[in-house]
Amino acid sequence: AQSVTQLDSHVSVSEGTPVLLRCNYSSSYSPSLFWYVQHPNKGLQLLLKYTSAATLVKGINGFEAEFKKSETSFHLTKPSAHMSDAAEYFCVVSEGTGGFKTIFGAGTRLFVKA
Amino acid sequence: ETGVTQTPRHLVMGMTNKKSLKCEQHLGHNAMYWYKQSAKKPLELMFVYSLEERVENNSVPSRFSPECPNSSHLFLHLHTLQPEDSALYLCASSQVSADYGYTFGSGTRLTVV
Repeated sequence: AQSVTQLDSHVSVSEGTPVLLRCNYSSSYSPSLFWYVQHPNKGLQLLLKYTSAATLVKGINGFEAEFKKSETSFHLTKPSAHMSDAAEYFCVVSEGTGGFKTIFGAGTRLFVKA
Repeated sequence: ETGVTQTPRHLVMGMTNKKSLKCEQHLGHNAMYWYKQSAKKPLELMFVYSLEERVENNSVPSRFSPECPNSSHLFLHLHTLQPEDSALYLCASSQVSADYGYTFGSGTRLTVV
C-alpha cells in the first residue's frame, strides 16, 4: 500500500527567500504524485502533478517539484516566496484513478514573513 | 471559479436536524468525491462515485448518506449528527479514465451544536 509523509508540519520563510516543502512517499507501483495548496477557508487547488513524464515538474505561481525515485521524494520548491504563498500545502500519492488509491499527506503550513 | 460549486458555504445545525450539502461540477468529470477535513487531522475520504455509481465506501457512520443523481451533482444528506462531525466538508471531481488530479470545491463549513 502507498503512503506519503510530509516531513515538516510548519515552515516559516521571509518574503523573497526560497521555499522548500518536503515530501517522501512509498509505493509499490509507479505512482502519480501531486501537490495541492489550500488557502484559509478555501478548497484545495492543484499546484502541479507528476505522471511519469519529465522528473522536474513546473506548476502554477512559480512552484516546481522534482521527482527523485532513488530517494522516493517529491519536494516542492519556489525560488522566491511571496506573501500570498502563505497557505497549507498537501502532497498526494496515487496508484490509481482516484478514490482510496489516492492518499493525502498531513499538510505543511507555510508562513511568509514580511 | 473552480468549476466545482458547493452550497451552502456555512451551515449550523442541531443534533436532531436533517440537512443536505450540495455539490455541482461543470467540468464534464465522471467521478465525484466527498472528503471531511477536521482540524489537525488528515483529509478523510468519505464517499466515491464513479459514473454515478458508488464504487467504494469507507467506514462512514450511517448518519451521513450520499446521493449522486447524475454525473454533475452530488449530495450529502445529514441527520442526527454529533458535535465531532463539525468540520469542513469538501467535494471534488475528476476524470475516471486518467489520474490528472482532483478539482475541489470551496467546501461547506459545518458546525453541529
